Amino acid sequence: DARVTQTPRHKVTEMGQEVTMRCQPILGHNTVFWYRQTMMQGLELLAYFRNRAPLDDSGMPKDRFSAEMPDATLATLKIQPSEPRDSAVYFCASGVPSQGSQPQHFGDGTRLSIL
Amino acid sequence: AQSVAQPEDQVNVAEGNPLTVKCTYSVSGNPYLFWYVQYPNRGLQFLLKYITGDNLVKGSYGFEAEFNKSQTSFHLKKPSALVSDSALYFCAVSPRGGNNRLAFGKGNQVVVIP
Repeated sequence: DARVTQTPRHKVTEMGQEVTMRCQPILGHNTVFWYRQTMMQGLELLAYFRNRAPLDDSGMPKDRFSAEMPDATLATLKIQPSEPRDSAVYFCASGVPSQGSQPQHFGDGTRLSIL
Repeated sequence: AQSVAQPEDQVNVAEGNPLTVKCTYSVSGNPYLFWYVQYPNRGLQFLLKYITGDNLVKGSYGFEAEFNKSQTSFHLKKPSALVSDSALYFCAVSPRGGNNRLAFGKGNQVVVIP
């Protein structure tokens, strides 16, 4: 089965450090979504890309978060500087918009802890 | 803007009993509706969808959902719950298909009691 791959699966770091999370979408999928999941806020959409161009990043704190797609096989989400309130599970999902009846496919997430 | 309400935080059900997880939605135009399940330390997994056609849709692991346009609901059901069905369940809606922006509900924790 084709899968969305996220690395690292777990990350623990100190406040102020830069954090980079990576996502490899399913081959052929041209839409990539970044979500954040916390107990308090549930599942939040941070940003999404189509054909490597950002379509919507309004859910992302602009001062410290950035998202890019250097190429069609890699999406990155960076936090600099990180803060304890960024502790959450970050999910990447991918899909093909021309196949509107098809669901997004999720990776297993990066569990981030900022000390 | 689209939105989803999942009114219950947790659903407790005895093993072997019917399971229902409720979802109501708000969207402009025709809805694309999805149910996902999340097991501990895993991502969301697709269960089933409603796009058009028969109001009763069947999905993975014996789950089904009924689309009710007049009540704007899309409740998830399973005739006989298993302990392994214990998980977090999310309902989602989009006016333009699953690979466009989805609005997710807050999720419902399902606990199946042996």
